[in-house]
Amino acid sequence: GENVEQHPSTLSVQEGDSAVIKCTYSDSASNYFPWYKQELGKRPQLIIDIRSNVGEKKDQRIAVTLNKTAKHFSLHITETQPEDSAVYFCAASQDTGRRALTFGSGTRLQVQP
Amino acid sequence: DTGVSQDPRHKITKRGQNVTFRCDPISEHNRLYWYRQTLGQGPEFLTYFQNEAQLEKSRLLSDRFSAERPKGSFSTLEIQRTEQGDSAMYLCASSFLQGEQYFGPGTRLTVT
Repeated sequence: GENVEQHPSTLSVQEGDSAVIKCTYSDSASNYFPWYKQELGKRPQLIIDIRSNVGEKKDQRIAVTLNKTAKHFSLHITETQPEDSAVYFCAASQDTGRRALTFGSGTRLQVQP
Repeated sequence: DTGVSQDPRHKITKRGQNVTFRCDPISEHNRLYWYRQTLGQGPEFLTYFQNEAQLEKSRLLSDRFSAERPKGSFSTLEIQRTEQGDSAMYLCASSFLQGEQYFGPGTRLTVT
């Protein structure tokens, strides 16, 4: 089955700096890679996703890059703000059929004002 | 609120008791997923339904766990003879076919 590794487990940055979170996956059949943000005590919420037919996707201050050959994908947050502080999870699945998500173990991002 | 809802939000039970959780998906969503999340970890897939059919069960889902989705609407997850290792947040998510999965607020289970 799929296995997703996520690094780092914690990340502290100063407000305005960039943050990068990296994930690797094992199943070459995976072709859908969402990122979820989970604030303390709240439900995971999708912030951005990418499919394997593109290498990069951007939405305002958030971008995701995908390297299918190396089986890794990354989340980039620019101009971080205190409200970006949360736990971020990467996930992988197949875009057809099963679609159950395999999650990484999470990165706790703290943005210091 | 038209999002995914779960009931109860918190459940404390004694070891050996049975518990049942309910998930109400977004109304037009035909897929419903159950995940389990323990502290400091990402959600782990348990099972999913397309309409009323249970299409896949994870190896994590022991025979003490059973899930149903009668009529393809709400779903229930039952845990029989609970163990302390069952303590976790149980998350439900729904999607329309292979679209984005929207998560519910979860049911936090504590087994004493």
